[in-house]
Amino acid sequence: GQQLNQSPQSMFIQEGEDVSMNCTSSSIFNTWLWYKQEPGEGPVLLIALYKAGELTSNGRLTAQFGITRKDSFLNISASIPSDVGIYFCAGQPRNYGGSQGNLIFGKGTKLSVKP
Amino acid sequence: DTAVSQTPKYLVTQMGNDKSIKCEQNLGHDTMYWYKQDSKKFLKIMFSYNNKELIINETVPNRFSPKSPDKAHLNLHINSLELGDSAVYFCASSQRGRLQETQYFGPGTRLLVL
Repeated sequence: GQQLNQSPQSMFIQEGEDVSMNCTSSSIFNTWLWYKQEPGEGPVLLIALYKAGELTSNGRLTAQFGITRKDSFLNISASIPSDVGIYFCAGQPRNYGGSQGNLIFGKGTKLSVKP
Repeated sequence: DTAVSQTPKYLVTQMGNDKSIKCEQNLGHDTMYWYKQDSKKFLKIMFSYNNKELIINETVPNRFSPKSPDKAHLNLHINSLELGDSAVYFCASSQRGRLQETQYFGPGTRLLVL
Protein backbone atom coordinates (compact mmCIF):
# COMPACT_ATOMS: atom_id res chain seq x y z
CA GLY A 1 0.00 0.00 0.00
CA GLN A 2 0.95 3.67 -0.12
CA GLN A 3 3.46 4.85 2.45
CA LEU A 4 4.86 8.08 3.71
CA ASN A 5 8.54 8.37 4.55
CA GLN A 6 8.94 10.74 7.48
CA SER A 7 12.35 11.86 8.67
CA PRO A 8 14.12 12.15 10.93
CA GLN A 9 12.78 9.47 13.23
CA SER A 10 13.91 11.40 16.30
CA MET A 11 15.64 14.64 17.18
CA PHE A 12 17.43 15.82 20.30
CA ILE A 13 17.96 19.57 20.26
CA GLN A 14 18.83 22.46 22.54
CA GLU A 15 16.19 25.01 23.48
CA GLY A 16 16.28 27.89 21.02
CA GLU A 17 17.38 25.82 18.04
CA ASP A 18 15.33 25.55 14.85
CA VAL A 19 13.86 22.20 13.81
CA SER A 20 13.06 20.81 10.40
CA MET A 21 11.32 17.55 9.47
CA ASN A 22 9.83 16.28 6.24
CA CYS A 23 7.67 13.67 4.59
CA THR A 24 7.92 12.22 1.12
CA SER A 25 5.76 9.94 -0.94
CA SER A 26 6.04 8.14 -4.25
CA SER A 27 2.52 9.22 -5.21
CA ILE A 28 0.67 12.51 -5.49
CA PHE A 29 -1.24 13.83 -2.50
CA ASN A 30 -4.21 16.21 -2.42
CA THR A 31 -3.74 17.25 1.20
CA TRP A 32 -0.88 17.38 3.69
CA LEU A 33 -1.54 17.65 7.41
CA TRP A 34 0.86 18.01 10.32
CA TYR A 35 -0.14 16.78 13.80
CA LYS A 36 1.55 16.86 17.20
CA GLN A 37 0.96 14.17 19.81
CA GLU A 38 1.96 14.68 23.43
CA PRO A 39 2.26 11.78 25.88
CA GLY A 40 -1.12 10.42 26.86
CA GLU A 41 -3.02 12.57 24.38
CA GLY A 42 -4.44 12.28 20.89
CA PRO A 43 -2.88 13.89 17.81
CA VAL A 44 -3.64 17.59 17.57
CA LEU A 45 -3.79 19.27 14.18
CA LEU A 46 -1.10 21.93 13.73
CA ILE A 47 -1.25 22.91 10.07
CA ALA A 48 -3.31 21.83 7.06
CA LEU A 49 -2.10 22.34 3.47
CA TYR A 50 -4.36 22.00 0.46
CA LYS A 51 -2.51 23.46 -2.53
CA ALA A 52 0.82 22.63 -4.15
CA GLY A 53 3.40 25.24 -3.18
CA GLU A 54 1.29 26.50 -0.27
CA LEU A 55 3.32 27.85 2.64
CA THR A 56 1.44 28.24 5.92
CA SER A 57 2.52 29.44 9.35
CA ASN A 58 1.07 28.86 12.79
CA GLY A 59 3.09 30.85 15.30
CA ARG A 60 6.63 29.47 15.29
CA LEU A 61 5.58 26.63 12.98
CA THR A 62 5.81 26.79 9.20
CA ALA A 63 4.84 24.05 6.78
CA GLN A 64 4.90 23.78 3.00
CA PHE A 65 3.10 21.63 0.45
CA GLY A 66 5.75 20.59 -2.08
CA ILE A 67 5.44 21.71 -5.68
CA THR A 68 5.56 18.12 -6.92
CA ARG A 69 2.69 17.28 -4.46
CA LYS A 70 4.80 14.38 -3.21
CA ASP A 71 6.37 15.99 -0.17
CA SER A 72 5.93 18.41 2.70
CA PHE A 73 8.12 19.87 5.41
CA LEU A 74 7.52 21.32 8.86
CA ASN A 75 9.84 23.84 10.48
CA ILE A 76 9.79 24.93 14.11
CA SER A 77 11.74 28.06 14.92
CA ALA A 78 13.32 28.90 18.28
CA SER A 79 12.23 25.66 19.96
CA ILE A 80 11.02 25.65 23.56
CA PRO A 81 10.61 22.76 26.04
CA SER A 82 6.85 22.49 25.40
CA ASP A 83 7.55 21.61 21.76
CA VAL A 84 8.42 18.11 22.99
CA GLY A 85 6.25 15.42 21.44
CA ILE A 86 5.80 13.28 18.37
CA TYR A 87 5.08 15.08 15.11
CA PHE A 88 3.16 13.21 12.45
CA CYS A 89 2.68 14.09 8.83
CA ALA A 90 -0.46 12.80 7.15
CA GLY A 91 -1.44 12.91 3.53
CA GLN A 92 -4.53 12.27 1.51
CA PRO A 93 -3.51 10.59 -1.75
CA ARG A 94 -5.16 11.33 -5.03
CA ASN A 95 -6.71 8.16 -6.38
CA TYR A 96 -7.29 7.35 -10.00
CA GLY A 97 -9.97 9.60 -11.45
CA GLY A 98 -9.02 12.37 -9.05
CA SER A 99 -11.11 11.11 -6.15
CA GLN A 100 -9.85 11.46 -2.60
CA GLY A 101 -8.20 8.55 -0.82
CA ASN A 102 -7.74 7.53 2.79
CA LEU A 103 -5.55 9.61 5.09
CA ILE A 104 -2.10 8.00 5.45
CA PHE A 105 0.21 8.78 8.36
CA GLY A 106 3.98 8.93 8.55
CA LYS A 107 5.72 7.08 11.37
CA GLY A 108 6.37 10.24 13.31
CA THR A 109 9.32 12.36 14.41
CA LYS A 110 10.00 12.29 18.13
CA LEU A 111 11.28 15.67 19.29
CA SER A 112 13.19 16.15 22.53
CA VAL A 113 14.19 19.65 23.65
CA LYS A 114 16.86 20.20 26.27
CA PRO A 115 16.36 23.37 28.35
CA ASP B 1 -16.44 21.81 25.00
CA THR B 2 -14.59 18.72 23.77
CA ALA B 3 -14.87 18.34 19.99
CA VAL B 4 -14.18 14.58 19.83
CA SER B 5 -14.58 12.60 23.04
CA GLN B 6 -13.96 8.94 23.84
CA THR B 7 -14.84 6.73 26.79
CA PRO B 8 -13.28 5.11 28.63
CA LYS B 9 -9.80 6.63 28.64
CA TYR B 10 -8.32 3.46 30.15
CA LEU B 11 -9.58 -0.10 29.75
CA VAL B 12 -7.95 -3.13 31.37
CA THR B 13 -9.54 -6.49 30.71
CA GLN B 14 -8.93 -10.21 30.45
CA MET B 15 -8.38 -12.20 27.28
CA GLY B 16 -11.59 -13.51 25.77
CA ASN B 17 -13.78 -10.71 27.07
CA ASP B 18 -15.98 -8.49 24.91
CA LYS B 19 -15.66 -4.72 25.29
CA SER B 20 -16.89 -1.50 23.68
CA ILE B 21 -15.33 1.92 23.28
CA LYS B 22 -17.55 4.92 22.68
CA CYS B 23 -16.87 8.00 20.57
CA GLU B 24 -18.84 11.18 20.13
CA GLN B 25 -18.15 14.32 18.09
CA ASN B 26 -19.94 17.66 18.34
CA LEU B 27 -18.36 19.21 15.26
CA GLY B 28 -21.23 18.37 12.94
CA HIS B 29 -18.90 16.25 10.81
CA ASP B 30 -20.30 13.57 8.55
CA THR B 31 -17.42 11.07 8.70
CA MET B 32 -15.89 9.33 11.72
CA TYR B 33 -12.91 7.00 12.02
CA TRP B 34 -11.20 4.53 14.31
CA TYR B 35 -7.41 4.26 14.39
CA LYS B 36 -5.13 1.86 16.25
CA GLN B 37 -1.77 3.12 17.52
CA ASP B 38 0.72 0.40 18.37
CA SER B 39 3.62 0.47 20.79
CA LYS B 40 5.83 2.03 18.12
CA LYS B 41 3.35 4.90 17.79
CA PHE B 42 2.35 3.91 14.25
CA LEU B 43 -1.19 5.08 13.45
CA LYS B 44 -3.24 2.71 11.32
CA ILE B 45 -6.77 3.36 10.19
CA MET B 46 -9.27 0.64 11.04
CA PHE B 47 -12.68 1.94 9.96
CA SER B 48 -14.53 5.00 8.79
CA TYR B 49 -18.24 5.74 8.63
CA ASN B 50 -19.85 8.28 6.33
CA ASN B 51 -23.58 8.90 6.58
CA LYS B 52 -24.02 5.63 8.45
CA GLU B 53 -22.25 3.62 5.77
CA LEU B 54 -18.98 1.80 6.27
CA ILE B 55 -16.68 3.08 3.57
CA ILE B 56 -13.29 1.85 4.74
CA ASN B 57 -12.48 -1.49 6.26
CA GLU B 58 -8.78 -2.29 6.28
CA THR B 59 -7.44 -5.76 7.12
CA VAL B 60 -8.95 -5.77 10.58
CA PRO B 61 -10.12 -8.98 12.28
CA ASN B 62 -13.88 -9.42 12.22
CA ARG B 63 -13.78 -9.46 16.02
CA PHE B 64 -13.80 -5.68 15.64
CA SER B 65 -17.10 -4.13 14.64
CA PRO B 66 -17.94 -0.43 14.38
CA LYS B 67 -21.45 0.67 15.27
CA SER B 68 -22.85 4.10 14.45
CA PRO B 69 -26.24 4.89 16.02
CA ASP B 70 -26.18 8.37 14.47
CA LYS B 71 -23.90 10.79 12.65
CA ALA B 72 -22.34 12.06 15.90
CA HIS B 73 -21.38 8.67 17.31
CA LEU B 74 -19.15 5.80 16.20
CA ASN B 75 -18.60 3.07 18.77
CA LEU B 76 -16.08 0.24 18.49
CA HIS B 77 -17.03 -3.20 19.74
CA ILE B 78 -14.37 -5.87 20.21
CA ASN B 79 -15.20 -9.54 20.72
CA SER B 80 -12.95 -12.21 22.22
CA LEU B 81 -10.14 -9.84 23.11
CA GLU B 82 -6.59 -11.05 22.48
CA LEU B 83 -3.24 -9.95 23.92
CA GLY B 84 -2.31 -8.36 20.60
CA ASP B 85 -5.30 -6.04 20.80
CA SER B 86 -3.49 -4.04 23.49
CA ALA B 87 -2.93 -0.60 22.01
CA VAL B 88 -4.26 2.93 22.03
CA TYR B 89 -7.42 3.39 19.98
CA PHE B 90 -8.23 6.84 18.61
CA CYS B 91 -11.49 8.11 17.25
CA ALA B 92 -11.43 10.94 14.70
CA SER B 93 -13.94 12.89 12.63
CA SER B 94 -13.93 15.01 9.49
CA GLN B 95 -16.22 16.71 7.03
CA ARG B 96 -15.89 15.12 3.62
CA GLY B 97 -15.22 17.64 0.91
CA ARG B 98 -14.52 17.11 -2.75
CA LEU B 99 -10.77 17.24 -2.38
CA GLN B 100 -9.99 18.35 1.13
CA GLU B 101 -10.30 16.51 4.39
CA THR B 102 -9.00 17.44 7.83
CA GLN B 103 -9.40 14.94 10.64
CA TYR B 104 -9.73 15.85 14.30
CA PHE B 105 -8.78 13.27 16.92
CA GLY B 106 -10.14 12.27 20.30
CA PRO B 107 -7.91 11.77 23.37
CA GLY B 108 -7.59 8.01 22.90
CA THR B 109 -8.55 4.85 24.78
CA ARG B 110 -5.69 2.86 26.23
CA LEU B 111 -6.61 -0.81 26.07
CA LEU B 112 -4.61 -3.40 27.98
CA VAL B 113 -5.52 -7.05 27.57
CA LEU B 114 -4.15 -9.36 30.26
